Amino acid sequence: AQSVAQPEDQVNVAEGNPLTVKCTYSVSGNPYLFWYVQYPNRGLQFLLKYITGDNLVKGSYGFEAEFNKSQTSFHLKKPSALVSDSALYFCAVRDRRGNTPLVFGKGTRLSVIA
Amino acid sequence: NAGVTQTPKFQVLKTGQSMTLQCAQDMNHNSMYWYRQDPGMGLRLIYYSASEGTTDKGEVPNGYNVSRLNKREFSLRLESAAPSQTSVYFCASIRASGSSLDTQYFGPGTRLTVL
Repeated sequence: AQSVAQPEDQVNVAEGNPLTVKCTYSVSGNPYLFWYVQYPNRGLQFLLKYITGDNLVKGSYGFEAEFNKSQTSFHLKKPSALVSDSALYFCAVRDRRGNTPLVFGKGTRLSVIA
Repeated sequence: NAGVTQTPKFQVLKTGQSMTLQCAQDMNHNSMYWYRQDPGMGLRLIYYSASEGTTDKGEVPNGYNVSRLNKREFSLRLESAAPSQTSVYFCASIRASGSSLDTQYFGPGTRLTVL
């Protein structure tokens, strides 16, 4: 069975500082990994995904994520946080085999303080 | 191109009432999903439809039914609403062509309160 863990419910960071939102996963075989962001009273928006190839994936709004197979992690990063990055972030995983649904983590609330 | 649309945006029900949440996508996607979002629980899959004419249970299907009306539309029905079904409901879709480029897209959500 697939699963995703986001160990931090809340991450606080000062504007201009680098941010990291952590994600670890469990899946048999090689995974597809995703990050989504949710702004207040909105649906989820796709940020980036890892399919294969380069372990560092770049996505929307200056975000990037690093796939680490040995640590089964896919942490979301940004070099310089903005107040507008404050939102709820979800990591998700899908098995490569067949058309299986995404499995989501519980989410991490990011607060960027001016 | 509206993407994934959901109606209604908000709904208040009394315990025991029934209602149907509507979802439609205009991206010619094959697979559609219904999730519920509760504080501290993330998104949990209720039902999904891998292709037109098929539906399958997800993680939390009890108390719900679904209909894949056609390729565009996937509805979620609560036959007898309970306070435990108070949640935000999201519909999503994906092309599901087997390509790694496929991305899942979400609707804006329906906020349901059951009194």
